[in-house]
Amino acid sequence: EVQLVESGGGLVQPGRSLRLSCAASGFTFDDYAMHWVRQAPGKGLEWVSGISWNSGSIGYADSVKGRFTISRDNAKNSLYLQMNSLRAEDTALYYCAKDSFSRLEWLFDDWGQGTLVTVSS
Amino acid sequence: DIQMTQSPSSLSASVGDRVTITCRASQGISNYLAWYQQKPGKVPKLLIYAASTLQSGVPSRFSGSGSGTDFTLTISSLQPEDVATYYCQKYNSAPTFGQGTRLEIK
Repeated sequence: EVQLVESGGGLVQPGRSLRLSCAASGFTFDDYAMHWVRQAPGKGLEWVSGISWNSGSIGYADSVKGRFTISRDNAKNSLYLQMNSLRAEDTALYYCAKDSFSRLEWLFDDWGQGTLVTVSS
Repeated sequence: DIQMTQSPSSLSASVGDRVTITCRASQGISNYLAWYQQKPGKVPKLLIYAASTLQSGVPSRFSGSGSGTDFTLTISSLQPEDVATYYCQKYNSAPTFGQGTRLEIK
């Protein structure tokens, strides 16, 4: 059974940084691309960033480009999101999501439970 | 950027009803269209991909159709457990979600 467990969320002041982690199990982690998708309170889904199986392809939404950095450690079956210069509009539940493919296809077939990031002074 | 527009935004139907949700892309996306179900307080779940292919384990009352710019999600006989918000999403390139359709039981 695929398990994706996010951690690292919390309350942070505007302009500060936060690093999210996602621990994966139940599948061969380095066979698949991985993503972060977020959902602001009471709002819809927004893709944030994705990384291919070997980190050779990386993509970001325009809303986070230059501020967020995605990475993965296949030896540790882990996905990360370094979030800098946080803004109030980054407040959301951040989901770790598995792609159906090794390349970036953006088809999310498994999701974690999410970790809540709140940006507020 | 390609925009995805769903209609209606909310829908109320009776158990046993046939329910249809539509999704329109601002440009043609071939069949790179997925549908997700998000039950209240739960994680999104992939229902359908490639516009009409049912994800493993999804009940057969769900179906999808369309290609190009116009797509539909159909529930042939609405069940109480289908109460959820449904999102369409284009994939294969920088993804965009529709705004969601909230489905309730009348």
